[in-house]
Amino acid sequence: NAGVTQTPKFQVLKTGQSMTLQCAQDMNHEYMSWYRQDPGMGLRLIHYSVGAGITDQGEVPNGYNVSRSTTEDFPLRLLSAAPSQTSVYFCASSYHVRGSSNTEAFFGQGTRLTVV
Amino acid sequence: GENVEQHPSTLSVQEGDSAVIKCTYSDSASNYFPWYKQELGKGPQLIIDIRSNVGEKKDQRIAVTLNKTAKHFSLHITETQPEDSAVYFCAATGGKLIFGQGTELSVKP
Repeated sequence: NAGVTQTPKFQVLKTGQSMTLQCAQDMNHEYMSWYRQDPGMGLRLIHYSVGAGITDQGEVPNGYNVSRSTTEDFPLRLLSAAPSQTSVYFCASSYHVRGSSNTEAFFGQGTRLTVV
Repeated sequence: GENVEQHPSTLSVQEGDSAVIKCTYSDSASNYFPWYKQELGKGPQLIIDIRSNVGEKKDQRIAVTLNKTAKHFSLHITETQPEDSAVYFCAATGGKLIFGQGTELSVKP
């Protein structure tokens, strides 16, 4: 039982490049989400999903796309990387009750992204 | 949408002292309030949570209190130990899980 797995752990991008951060969970959780962590700003919600085929925006969605074709996977796409997207990205998953994330969220180990 | 404010941003205590971290939330519909601990280089992990129908919950040295009227909740750690040193996050949800800004706790031996 691996929990939540994120790849890659580290990535350096040039401004304007695109890439996909991968997230997979093996706990059959319906609720998955992406956060970015910046100093002094805590964890800010980028996008989330309450199940396969359903996604919605969080607090800071601009510049990011997501899709949810399976229960297990929830990739995050950076369309055209900018230095402001330099951050640590965390994927999380949990059970949900009536579309609400109100049970323990399990986090991956994070992806440290630098955009130069 | 939900907004969560957390204070203080840094907290330094002597080993054996108590530590208190406070959070306020804005959405009266929020009904679940977890606390997470993040150690260096790792993802956050749940340490305790409380639901809106409960005013206080305790787990060994850790306790959480919730005041729904005032929309604030607090984490209390007693008899702190050096291994309690970490970043602590509060969160609130009535749907989406929204986090506070985090508190860096340092416990000095």
